[in-house]
Amino acid sequence: GAVVSQHPSWVICKSGTSVKIECRSLDFQATTMFWYRQFPKQSLMLMATSNEGSKATYEQGVEKDKFLINHASLTLSTLTVTSAHPEDSSFYICSARGQSAGVSYEQYFGPGTRLTVT
Amino acid sequence: DQQVKQNSPSLSVQEGRISILNCDYTNSMFDYFLWYKKYPAEGPTFLISISSIKDKNEDGRFTVFLNKSAKHLSLHIVPSQPGDSAVYFCAATSSGTYKYIFGTGTRLKVLA
Repeated sequence: GAVVSQHPSWVICKSGTSVKIECRSLDFQATTMFWYRQFPKQSLMLMATSNEGSKATYEQGVEKDKFLINHASLTLSTLTVTSAHPEDSSFYICSARGQSAGVSYEQYFGPGTRLTVT
Repeated sequence: DQQVKQNSPSLSVQEGRISILNCDYTNSMFDYFLWYKKYPAEGPTFLISISSIKDKNEDGRFTVFLNKSAKHLSLHIVPSQPGDSAVYFCAATSSGTYKYIFGTGTRLKVLA
């Protein structure tokens, strides 16, 4: 149980275009989803926290107008990279926290999406 | 400001021996810690966790030790196996935010 999927697993887009990445909790309802970014040989950096039905909370230094996050349902969150530039090329990972998590700290991670902007 | 640090970027260990990965943190509000294993272009895989009310947690070959006064935790893998070769990240979080702050990672190589 507790499976999180991401789509697409990899995407190549041209500079200036937008790309949407989906994160789905397949067998549980996720009230909170987190988006991370990992550059090669670096750590996973938290970008934002999204709660179902409310606006995402962005970490310091992350442009909310560039990285649009929507958490429209308890099983789906999307990250849209708008007007992508080559420096946005990275590995994007989402994680989800279950509705029944209570005080549990547990998060379930997706397999990640490799974005390459040319 | 790196709140969670792993000072060893890489570690090589002989198969069958113990691997010890270290992690330091600065934020005293963290009250839960986790270790993940990660391969390139994949999501992290959960290994083991520990609450700040404990100083040790064991699960099979994996043991995590927490020294709150030193703000230090370590992951022991024994015996180490070639399949353990990967990048290991420690993460810290606190009740209320539940946000994970990841360390910088340590690449473990277990030599056959």
